[in-house]
Order: sequence, then structure tokens, then C-alpha cells
Amino acid sequence: DIQMTQSPSSLSASVGDRVTITCQASQDISNYLNWYQQKPGKAPKLLIYDASNLETGVPSRFSGSGSGTDFTFTISSLQPEDIATYYCQQYDNLPPIFGGGTKVEIK
Amino acid sequence: QITLKESGPTLVKPTQTLTLTCTFSGFSLSTSGVGVGWIRQPPGKALEWLALIYWDDDKRYSPSLKSRLTITKDTSKNQVVLTMTNMDPVDTATYYCAHSRGGVFDYWGQGTLVTVSS
Repeated sequence: DIQMTQSPSSLSASVGDRVTITCQASQDISNYLNWYQQKPGKAPKLLIYDASNLETGVPSRFSGSGSGTDFTFTISSLQPEDIATYYCQQYDNLPPIFGGGTKVEIK
Repeated sequence: QITLKESGPTLVKPTQTLTLTCTFSGFSLSTSGVGVGWIRQPPGKALEWLALIYWDDDKRYSPSLKSRLTITKDTSKNQVVLTMTNMDPVDTATYYCAHSRGGVFDYWGQGTLVTVSS
């Protein structure tokens, strides 16, 4: 199976800060990488698909980049409502593997 | 508008079989390219994919759980059913079903918490 290594596992930032999360695949997955946001007690929500495509309705402060094995998820200006855990997920090969998650908190 | 909702028991005993139903609306599971998957999340832990069924009845399973899982669909009822045999306390988790477009889980159910305990 492909392994997905997400970092950091948690971070604390101030409102307005730029926040960056990375996800590394154990092998080349092209751009078959998605990012999800999960707020406490809620189901995950798709934010970014195919590494860099913003899902309809998602604020433009969220973005993704990368291809191959290294990917980055960015919140350009952290807002209070962005407090959540973020997961990457590869789907180049089955099984679709999720990263370990990054918990984002407000400082 | 696509919606999905999971239903099933909230408590099962060790060694029992769990049966979960995902009832959906807003799409057809006979449409080319469409799939429905099951993902679970133990309390405080990460997401784990379990199974996926496609519009053409192709079925895929997590390699580590394959021997315990069965996924089926009833297109006429807009339902997908997941069964997991020989339940253990480590299977305690929130179980989600989700609409899949080519491996992208773009719509999720609210999830159902299943506790395994005697």
C-alpha cells in the first residue's frame, strides 16, 4: 500500500496567518491527491481535489499544490472557522489512503 | 442535491456481525463512474477506508479487512449495505458512507457511531 505522511500533526497559528500543511506519498501518485476538512463532530468535507482544484463553494483562501510525491495545502489567511483537522488522501491506487491528519488551532 | 445517511445498530457485541445501510438521494448508482464508499474513524483517530462499490457492481475492499467485509448495492432502493463480521472492540468507530467520483469522496453522510462492547 501507498503510505501518506502528513505533517505537522498539529499546529497553532494566529488569525490572519498563513498556514501550510504537507503530505508526502511513499511513491509517485501523480496529482491524485485530495484534501479534506473535518470539524469536531462532523463528517469530512472535500476542499481540494486532484492536488490543486478547489471544490465548488470552497473559499479561495484554501489552496493546494504539488505532484508526484510531495504536496502542500495552504490557508492563506487563517480564519476562526478554519479550526479543524485536515486530511490528505491519495487515490492513485487502491486502497485510497488517508494521511494521519493535521489539527489546526488558533493561538 | 446529493445526500447520504448511514443507519444501523449503535451497539454490537464482540464476534457479532455488523450491518450498516447507506441510503442516498440525488444520484443514481447506475450512472457510469459513480461509486459509494465506506470510511470509518475510531474515536480521536484518523480516517480509514473500508470498501467501495461502483456503478458496474465492481467491489473493492481494504486488504487488511477484506475477509470480514461485504459491500452490496440495491439500485432500486438507492441503498448500499456494508457487513462486517466478527466485530471486536477495536472496531468501535464512526462509520461514514460517501459518494465517490473516481476516487474523490465529494459528499459524505453524517456518520454513525458503532460501539463494540459486551
